[in-house]
Amino acid sequence: QQQVKQSPQSLIVQKGGISIINCAYENTAFDYFPWYQQFPGKGPALLIAIRPDVSEKKEGRFTISFNKSAKQFSLHIMDSQPGDSATYFCAATRGSTLGRLYFGRGTQLTVWP
Amino acid sequence: GAGVSQSPSNKVTEKGKDVELRCDPISGHTALYWYRQSLGQGLEFLIYFQGNSAPDKSGLPSDRFSAERTGGSVSTLTIQRTQQEDSAVYLCASSLREAGSYEQYFGPGTRLTVT
Repeated sequence: QQQVKQSPQSLIVQKGGISIINCAYENTAFDYFPWYQQFPGKGPALLIAIRPDVSEKKEGRFTISFNKSAKQFSLHIMDSQPGDSATYFCAATRGSTLGRLYFGRGTQLTVWP
Repeated sequence: GAGVSQSPSNKVTEKGKDVELRCDPISGHTALYWYRQSLGQGLEFLIYFQGNSAPDKSGLPSDRFSAERTGGSVSTLTIQRTQQEDSAVYLCASSLREAGSYEQYFGPGTRLTVT
């Protein structure tokens, strides 16, 4: 069963626009929610992560919004650039114990110039 | 500093052959993970090593898959009697795993093609 569900599968945004990717999880024991960015032929790179004790975390143009009661979190990319075109994966884990990451299926983002 | 490295970057093998994939984690990282990335399957957990604890092998898809970690550092993932469905990118990640530190850093992966 898919522990983390991600949508949309693909996203096309114009340069300067806002890209929004959504994820939902089932296990309330999850306590760490990272986002990864992956370019073709490369491994996933950690982009930004959040813990459930905060509702939002911002790093530059990237913001995670977290809704604990709804068991949902999302990635917002402000002022999207062509260089942001990549596949984005959300993930979740029970950091204190299991360690393994449960990944969403990924969102392929294309930013048109 | 140096990141996670993996070798080889690409491996083509014939069905039925054994293969070994290597991972060098970030120096000082105590936790090491193997994941598999297949088209349409996303990122799939395989195995997790943490210090001297028994590894979590719950993600290994069959007994043809095994992994070891020597000296708490380098890890080798072995696939015996490879099948075409084993074709995928095999990713290694490492983590410091200190209190409150959960970040996992990935290597570039090994692309395995079974013909």
